[in-house]
Amino acid sequence: DAGVIQSPRHEVTEMGQEVTLRCKPISGHNSLFWYRQTMMRGLELLIYFNNNVPIDDSGMPEDRFSAKMPNASFSTLKIQPSEPRDSAVYFCASTRQVNQPQHFGDGTRLSIL
Amino acid sequence: GENVGLHLPTLSVQEGDNSIINCAYSNSASDYFIWYKQESGKGPQFIIDIRSNMDKRQGQRVTVLLNKTVKHLSLQIAATQPGDSAVYFCAENNAGNMLTFGGGTRLMVKP
Repeated sequence: DAGVIQSPRHEVTEMGQEVTLRCKPISGHNSLFWYRQTMMRGLELLIYFNNNVPIDDSGMPEDRFSAKMPNASFSTLKIQPSEPRDSAVYFCASTRQVNQPQHFGDGTRLSIL
Repeated sequence: GENVGLHLPTLSVQEGDNSIINCAYSNSASDYFIWYKQESGKGPQFIIDIRSNMDKRQGQRVTVLLNKTVKHLSLQIAATQPGDSAVYFCAENNAGNMLTFGGGTRLMVKP
């Protein structure tokens, strides 16, 4: 089975540019999560979808961040405009149901210059 | 779990020895716990989980112990191998489907 697939693996861009991160969850998983990982703050949940509907976005840092899940097999996390402090590794994870393990992609390493 | 900022606690063990990684969780209402392993450049990988109605669960070379009285979780790795070198995270499920992660412990295995 294919795991969670994220793209791109690496992104380097200048501040002010729009950044779009993509995620394909595991087929049959109905919950999808976006996380951000930094050395200072560890692994933080940004937003969580269940059946393509955003359930909790309290972790989204500010209005520059937005996430969508147009269908069960695709989600995007967008940052516009990007800032250097957004530099981090962004992970997507999916799970089949509550109290089942979340399975993570290998992340997108984002560097904003 | 506690976020330790820039400095991850590090556990250094000799190859072949047993490893014990500890985690303190924060919410007494948490009912599901997971251990993840994260290697450099990869996402967290599921190792083992345990529900709050259990106090011990065993997998292949790994055992998770849960002490709800003191809100403590541990991961025991038997006969530690170089391939076990990674950062290990505990996570608790305390609100619906959302996990809260600990700060992580770096395991270094000396050959």
